[in-house]
Amino acid sequence: DTAVSQTPKYLVTQMGNDKSIKCEQNLGHDTMYWYKQDSKKFLKIMFSYNNKELIINETVPNRFSPKSPDKAHLNLHINSLELGDSAVYFCASSQDIGPGGNEQFFGPGTRLTVL
Amino acid sequence: AQKVTQAQTEISVVEKEDVTLDCVYETRDTTYYLFWYKQPPSGELVFLIRRNSFDEQNEISGRYSWNFQKSTSSFNFTITASQVVDSAVYFCALTSNSGYALNFGKGTSLLVTP
Repeated sequence: DTAVSQTPKYLVTQMGNDKSIKCEQNLGHDTMYWYKQDSKKFLKIMFSYNNKELIINETVPNRFSPKSPDKAHLNLHINSLELGDSAVYFCASSQDIGPGGNEQFFGPGTRLTVL
Repeated sequence: AQKVTQAQTEISVVEKEDVTLDCVYETRDTTYYLFWYKQPPSGELVFLIRRNSFDEQNEISGRYSWNFQKSTSSFNFTITASQVVDSAVYFCALTSNSGYALNFGKGTSLLVTP
């Protein structure tokens, strides 16, 4: 059983298109995250949701809109894709956001290539 | 602000050598948590260890060991008798009670050759 799954694994698209990446976790966790890993392998938080509510929104262009229909899902929708959006996007989940530095479980990543 | 520095960008060793990956962190919080993750060539992120700021005991897990020293704000990772399968990018990360996301270092790429 996959703990954190993402679809698709690879996404190739043209500039200007709108695309979505889906994430699901079956761990019963309350908190989910989106991270972006750039071409230099640098990992940076984009968003975090706890119980479907947004709690972290880093300085990400508003072309990126996360949506959490329920605790087990956190989807990432990207409008008007740009070349600089090409990266690997990782979804993650943790038990909650309370103190404890909970371990985050990562999905396999989605490699987005914008042409 | 929190910051994690992994000064070693790339390390190359021959199989069976010991190798230490350095991690230096900055935080104003008194309660914080440090992590190491491994990213093999296949791309997934694999959790290795979590350590809280109140536990300075060193940890050993098989060929892996971690040295946490608050006095130098370091959380170094040593692989003993390295193997080719250890080739990966290793990330050190930090979080605290004042911020919930992981702040990652830039990673150290380890190449172990036969």
